[in-house]
Amino acid sequence: NAGVTQTPKFQVLKTGQSMTLQCAQDMNHNSMYWYRQDPGMGLRLIYYSASEGTTDKGEVPNGYNVSRLNKREFSLRLESAAPSQTSVYFCASSTDYLGEQYFGPGTRLTVT
Amino acid sequence: GENVEQHPSTLSVQEGDSAVIKCTYSDSASNYFPWYKQELGKGPQLIIDIRSNVGEKKDQRIAVTLNKTAKHFSLHITETQPEDSAVYFCAAWRGGADGLTFGKGTHLIIQP
Repeated sequence: NAGVTQTPKFQVLKTGQSMTLQCAQDMNHNSMYWYRQDPGMGLRLIYYSASEGTTDKGEVPNGYNVSRLNKREFSLRLESAAPSQTSVYFCASSTDYLGEQYFGPGTRLTVT
Repeated sequence: GENVEQHPSTLSVQEGDSAVIKCTYSDSASNYFPWYKQELGKGPQLIIDIRSNVGEKKDQRIAVTLNKTAKHFSLHITETQPEDSAVYFCAAWRGGADGLTFGKGTHLIIQP
């Protein structure tokens, strides 16, 4: 099992550009999450999907959209990137909404 | 919403000594408390967790204690080894739409 995979690993964008971060899990988990990690801030929840077909906002959803494409895949889209979105983005999944979360390796995004 | 505070931000211990990291949470409804270890350039990895119906849980050299009355929980690592050097995050979950709330992390340094 690959667990949780994320693409790309690194990305540099100019202000105003758009991009989609991809996440997939092969553990048959129902719930998936997107977090961002900034220095000294821990991890903050952007969006989550408790089950296929549903998505909800987390703590810091502004400037992002998500799509739960199927049970395996959960993508994060930045429509118009801003320097404040420079961060490391982590995708995670869990068996149910109370279960332990497994994280992917992260995407390091820089917006200039 | 939930607020999790984690101390210390940096902890340096001699190899073979014990390390203790402490977290407090604000919402008495929180009932799940995981600890994650993050190595440089990697995603967080769950190392131990505890639910509110248990006061202590141990897994080899790692233990977690929970005091629901005082709303704090701690990670204890005994007989520390060089491979324990990493950033450790605590988290709390109170259910509903907010997902996990993370502390800001502790950088654990094991001195040879």
